[in-house]
Amino acid sequence: GAGVSQSPSNKVTEKGKDVELRCDPISGHTALYWYRQSLGQGLEFLIYFQGNSAPDKSGLPSDRFSAERTGGSVSTLTIQRTQQEDSAVYLCASSLSAASYEQYFGPGTRLTVT
Amino acid sequence: AQSVTQPDIHITVSEGASLELRCNYSYGATPYLFWYVQSPGQGLQLLLKYFSGDTLVQGIKGFEAEFKRSQSSFNLRKPSVHWSDAAEYFCAVVQGRGSTLGRLYFGRGTQLTVWP
Repeated sequence: GAGVSQSPSNKVTEKGKDVELRCDPISGHTALYWYRQSLGQGLEFLIYFQGNSAPDKSGLPSDRFSAERTGGSVSTLTIQRTQQEDSAVYLCASSLSAASYEQYFGPGTRLTVT
Repeated sequence: AQSVTQPDIHITVSEGASLELRCNYSYGATPYLFWYVQSPGQGLQLLLKYFSGDTLVQGIKGFEAEFKRSQSSFNLRKPSVHWSDAAEYFCAVVQGRGSTLGRLYFGRGTQLTVWP
């Protein structure tokens, strides 16, 4: 079956521009997670959705970062006024439910801010 | 707060040799533990998990891991490494049972190089 998909796979943007990253979870998975992977910080949790609500946004690094999930499926991570330190690979994962704990990851979006 | 330590940043082994990747965690209750593997340009693939029960767990690709509560460790092992095992390996812990928070806390990863 189809796994978690993310688009675009690569994104190069100029400092100060806004970007949107998309995640399509595995069908039927109610929990969705965003993580960021960078050389300096390793793998960091950003935000978690259960259905369309986000019980845990505590990992978002600043108010320039926001995310939404619609229809209990697709999620979009938006970064406004991008900075060079936002350059990283953004990974999305989904699980059957939060209580199942077993997360399946997408291939990631590599974001480069120039 | 939970934390995960992978003491070895880079390990090199010869093909056919045995492998052990170390992982230590810090968590008050019984943790849920995972090992993931990441090949270049790929996402993370789950190798195995420990929730409870038998402390020796088997995973995919011939990997196994042993949970040792007394040592707060969850080391990954493979008896005979193949060249295709070259990748980065991440140990992770999730907040425990009963919680609605499923966020994973990752170690910094161990890069495995396999010599032919």
